[in-house]
Amino acid sequence: EIVLTQSPGTLSLSPGERATLSCRASQSVSGSYLVWYQQKPGQAPRLLVYGTSSRATGIPDRFSGSGSGTDFTLTISRLEPEDFAVYYCQQYGSSYTFGQGTKLEIK
Amino acid sequence: EVQLVESGGGLVQPGGSLRLSCAASGFTFNTYVMSWVRQAPGKGLEWVSSMSGSGDTPYYADSVKGRFTISRDNSKNTLFLQMNSLRAEDTAIYYCARKKSSREYCFDSWGQGTLVTVSS
Repeated sequence: EIVLTQSPGTLSLSPGERATLSCRASQSVSGSYLVWYQQKPGQAPRLLVYGTSSRATGIPDRFSGSGSGTDFTLTISRLEPEDFAVYYCQQYGSSYTFGQGTKLEIK
Repeated sequence: EVQLVESGGGLVQPGGSLRLSCAASGFTFNTYVMSWVRQAPGKGLEWVSSMSGSGDTPYYADSVKGRFTISRDNSKNTLFLQMNSLRAEDTAIYYCARKKSSREYCFDSWGQGTLVTVSS
């Protein structure tokens, strides 16, 4: 099973700043199968980015994904107040696995 | 508009059983793989099980294999999860989720979740 490790565990930034979230896999992941979700308190996760870099429907272009092999990144170019949430990466190999999440909090 | 509405959660004793349902609307249900994903209180996400669109090919996480059974009724646009031999570590919010497409291995629509609590 591929293990995904996200860093940092918590990221404290201010609105307008740039956020860089990391997701590292225990073995190589097909770029087609690396995904990012956003989850706010009391809500279900929301699909943000799939196939490493394709934004889901309705996702603003300040969200971008990149990476390959074992290292993937979600970048939020300029943080808006509604972006403060928990972010999960997910991969599919023989089954689905998720990272443990990065909490993006207001500084 | 895609809608997924889970029901059937509740409090159950260790060793007990529970059946979750997910009512789907707003899309052609039988053309999508459907899944259950759970989240223990204050924890991350864990994939539990998936079922093919036709309902003949199930997939399970090792943690639930042999105890949980996924099924679907395409005539009623409903997904089910029969949970037997429940353990304390099965306590979680259970989300019903739609696999985005045949090529994309991710979940593009989620229900609001139903809470399952396993405790004596």
